[in-house]
Amino acid sequence: KAGVTQTPRYLIKTRGQQVTLSCSPISGHRSVSWYQQTPGQGLQFLFEYFSETQRNKGNFPGRFSGRQFSNSRSEMNVSTLELGDSALYLCASSRTPTGGNYGYTFGSGTRLTVV
Amino acid sequence: AQKVTQAQTEISVVEKEDVTLDCVYETRDTTYYLFWYKQPPSGELVFLIRRNSFDEQNEISGRYSWNFQKSTSSFNFTITASQVVDSAVYFCALMTISSGSARQLTFGSGTQLTVLP
Repeated sequence: KAGVTQTPRYLIKTRGQQVTLSCSPISGHRSVSWYQQTPGQGLQFLFEYFSETQRNKGNFPGRFSGRQFSNSRSEMNVSTLELGDSALYLCASSRTPTGGNYGYTFGSGTRLTVV
Repeated sequence: AQKVTQAQTEISVVEKEDVTLDCVYETRDTTYYLFWYKQPPSGELVFLIRRNSFDEQNEISGRYSWNFQKSTSSFNFTITASQVVDSAVYFCALMTISSGSARQLTFGSGTQLTVLP
């Protein structure tokens, strides 16, 4: 079966611009979470969506936002990009918010570089 | 607050050696899940195991085994007869699910495992 699909794989943006990343979860998965991975801070939770509702949000500024559509696909948006936003952004999906017996399935991520 | 500590930043072993990756967690919640993930160079996090706080049975899956000890708040991962393909970064993660607690994975900083031929 198809895994979690994240697009685009790579992105280069300029400071001050905004960016939208997309995540298509595994069919039947209603929970989608986003994580940021950087060498300095490691893997950090951004937000979680379940049935189109944001259930949890991590400790990130308001420039980071997201949404989930009725087909469970999710997007995250970062406005007014800063150099420190350069990171690998990972999306994860699962049938239930706690991961179930098979945990969360992660996508390959979007590598965002801000110059 | 939740915290996961993986004290081993890098480990290097020779193929066929056994290797144990340590994970120590902190939480005040009584109900939680522990996870291990593998991240190869491609970047995708690969799920290895989920264990809930009420199940302290050790788990074995092929060359992989996990030792969960609530008394020491540890969830260690052992690879037996390591192979070059095991080379990756391994992450331990914690999720608490008690009422009012955010359902998110708190990751450790990861252990880079290199298996030399």
